[in-house]
Amino acid sequence: KNQVEQSPQSLIILEGKNCTLQCNYIVSPFSNLRWYKQDTGRGPVSLTIMTFSENTKSNGRYTATLDADTKQSSLHITASQLSDSASYICVVRSGGSYIPTFGRGTSLIVHP
Amino acid sequence: NAGVTQTPKFRVLKTGQSMTLLCAQDMNHEYMYWYRQDPGMGLRLIHYSVGEGTTAKGEVPDGYNVSRLKKQNFLLGLESAAPSQTSVYFCASSYGQGGNQPQHFGDGTRLSIL
Repeated sequence: KNQVEQSPQSLIILEGKNCTLQCNYIVSPFSNLRWYKQDTGRGPVSLTIMTFSENTKSNGRYTATLDADTKQSSLHITASQLSDSASYICVVRSGGSYIPTFGRGTSLIVHP
Repeated sequence: NAGVTQTPKFRVLKTGQSMTLLCAQDMNHEYMYWYRQDPGMGLRLIHYSVGEGTTAKGEVPDGYNVSRLKKQNFLLGLESAAPSQTSVYFCASSYGQGGNQPQHFGDGTRLSIL
């Protein structure tokens, strides 16, 4: 059964600090991994996608990494802002499947 | 460009009542999905559709029905609501199911069953 595990479950940091969120997955065959940001009371919004051949991808202050050998991904947030407070969801899709596998998310709170 | 619009945004039902949640997208997407999100749980797929007139079961389909009569609309029905169906329901759409196509989500319908 496909599985996606995220850690930590929640995280509190001070504004301006960096943080890293983790995602471990068991999905076969692997197609892609996507990070979503979900603000409170809103639907998830895609931040970035990682395919098998990609190791690192940046989107502004967000940098995602993928290690296909260890089946791990991370999302690094640089110089955090109050607006980064949200839930970050890791979603992995297997080849040929209509059903993506969602992680439970990491809740990030950025304090001033 | 509205994207994905869900109606209603909030609803309170009594056990045994029925209702329909509406999802509309204006991006001409083929694929549409209904999820539920519960505290401490990831998004779980209820039903999905790969095109007009098609529907398929997801992970947690029991107690729900869906219809996709028009490409832009995907309806989720609860025939006899139960307290276990209290949740936040999200609709999503995508251009394709595979490749690098992201899902575009609505802002959810918050449903409470008393």
